[in-house]
Amino acid sequence: QSALTQPASVSGSPGQSITLSCTGTSSDVGGYDYVSWYQQHPGKAPKLLIYDVTQRPSGGSIRFSGSKSGNTASLTISGLQTEDEADYYCSSYRNGTTLAFGGGTRLTV
Amino acid sequence: EVQLMESGGGLVKPGGSLRLSCAASGFPFKFYHMNWVRQAPGKGLEWVSCISSGGTYIFYSDSLKGRVTVSRDDTKNSIYLQMNDLRAEDTGFYYCVRVPPDFDWLSSAGDSWGQGTLVTVSS
Repeated sequence: QSALTQPASVSGSPGQSITLSCTGTSSDVGGYDYVSWYQQHPGKAPKLLIYDVTQRPSGGSIRFSGSKSGNTASLTISGLQTEDEADYYCSSYRNGTTLAFGGGTRLTV
Repeated sequence: EVQLMESGGGLVKPGGSLRLSCAASGFPFKFYHMNWVRQAPGKGLEWVSCISSGGTYIFYSDSLKGRVTVSRDDTKNSIYLQMNDLRAEDTGFYYCVRVPPDFDWLSSAGDSWGQGTLVTVSS
């Protein structure tokens, strides 16, 4: 089964806003409001940033926000900070009782 | 404090078996669904399996179905992943992940991750 599509890398400057994309199909991203985003620093476990497309977990930073249009979900990071430099992954429920991940985007600040 | 501690990883020969464990603490374990997610070295995340609270519903990735079995023991606040017929491509870190009861089972990998246990399949 194919992964969701994420750009391999993006870069930004401190203070900037940046948007990461995650493209799927009507069988996953477009068909359900079950998109999550995770941040992973090198050598560390992933951390949940966003779930159900737009929801932040308790205590989550308001600098991270999620949205979706059609088959593409987006994660926007505002007020970019150097500590935001990490890998970012999206996931989505997919038809047939499966959870699909994107290939990940490396963010350089 | 929520803690998830995986164990049981190690070096195994192709065709061998391993049983991974995940011990949970700091939250009412029996109410939570749990996922296993893996990550090959230098690669992305891959969902492996989900077990619902109470163990009523179990789901597996198509790529591993038939070779893995997930289970849970709520008396020990633990989940397990039995892996058989291991292959080189199964090498990687295996994470257990907590899924809150108000999340739908496969809506997300989950909100708290363990540090992972490394499985290396090599002759």
